[in-house]
Formats: sequence, C-alpha cells, structure tokens
Amino acid sequence: QKEVEQNSGPLSVPEGAIASLNCTYSDRGSQSFFWYRQYSGKSPELIMFIYSNGDKEDGRFTAQLNKASQYVSLLIRDSQPSDSATYLCAVIAGYSTLTFGKGTMLLVSP
Amino acid sequence: GAVVSQHPSRVICKSGTSVKIECRSLDFQATTMFWYRQFPKQSLMLMATSNEGSKATYEQGVEKDKFLINHASLTLSTLTVTSAHPEDSSFYICSARDNIYGYTFGSGTRLTVV
Repeated sequence: QKEVEQNSGPLSVPEGAIASLNCTYSDRGSQSFFWYRQYSGKSPELIMFIYSNGDKEDGRFTAQLNKASQYVSLLIRDSQPSDSATYLCAVIAGYSTLTFGKGTMLLVSP
Repeated sequence: GAVVSQHPSRVICKSGTSVKIECRSLDFQATTMFWYRQFPKQSLMLMATSNEGSKATYEQGVEKDKFLINHASLTLSTLTVTSAHPEDSSFYICSARDNIYGYTFGSGTRLTVV
C-alpha cells in the first residue's frame, strides 16, 4: 500500500515568515515528487516537482528531497496571505499514477 | 502550458438520474486521463485511469457500472455518474498526462445530488 503522509495542519505563519511543509512517503521506489496548491473549491495547481535528492528552488519556493529518509518538503519564503491554501504532496513510482497526501492547510496572517 | 478543460463546473441533479462530466485536453493529445474524487477535507482519491481506445482501469472499490468512463479520442474523456445518489455528491476532478508538463488538472466539477 503506497502511502503519502502529511500533517493536516493548519500551519499558521505570519506574513513574511518562512512556511515549512513536510511530507513522507512509504514506497522506496518512488521517483517523482510533486507539490500542488489547492484553494478551497478549486482543483490543484502544480507548484513544483523534484526528482533528485537535494534542493530545488523556484522563486519563493524551495523543494527539498531526501530519498534515504523518504522525506520531501516545501519551503515558502516571504509568505503572503495569498499563499493560504492546502498544499498537497504527490508521489509517483515508476509508471504508476500519482498518489496524493491529504494535504496541509497553510494560513498566512497579515 | 498544457490546458485541460472540464465541464460542467457545477451540477445539481436529482437522485436516480445520470450526470456526464467532460474532460478535454485543449492543446495536447492525452493518451491517458485520470478521474479523481475529493470529499470535503479529504485528499484526491483516484477513481480510474482512462486510456484512449481501451477500457478504463478502475481502482479498488470503485463501481465501474456506476461510473462509466469513455475515452473515445485523444482529447476527450467523459465520466458518467449513473443513477446518482446523495452519497455521490463530491468534487470530481480530471487530469491528463502529457510528455512535457506531466499532470495537468481540470478545474473540477462540483456534483450535488438531491
């Protein structure tokens, strides 16, 4: 059973702070890792994907992957109220389909 | 980037009727599309994988006779919820896979069965 675990939150951070979102996965064969943002009542939108161990930066977002620990994280620098949403971690192993975590709700207060 | 159009965005139907949801890839050909269901405060749960020109592959626990999937062309997949009941009320989201952008999601369909 492939599992992707996330803390449901909410994670509350003040505007301008760094938000750190974490995700663990059970399938050691997982190869591709995605972070999606989902606003209430909307479908997910891709923020970042990462395939290799280490950090990947894109603007205010940094994805971190540690395959040995089966851990992937998303850092959001200079958090804005508009970043308030649910963040979904998703994982693919081989040619299988995306497996989603339940998501972490992020609340950024002005 | 890749665009997936999903219609309708919202539908209310009476119990016992059928509802069809369309998912179109607008600027790319999608040999594989996916249908998800999301209940409030829950994650996306994969219902089925739709392959162009062949039968869909359903996840365990999903009734294939209730959730009919047709993927007749490389740009269109449809999900028909047959004999809908209130417990089928949910947010249904389609996704298409392409070789460049990976997975692209449609905007979702909020189904309410009354």
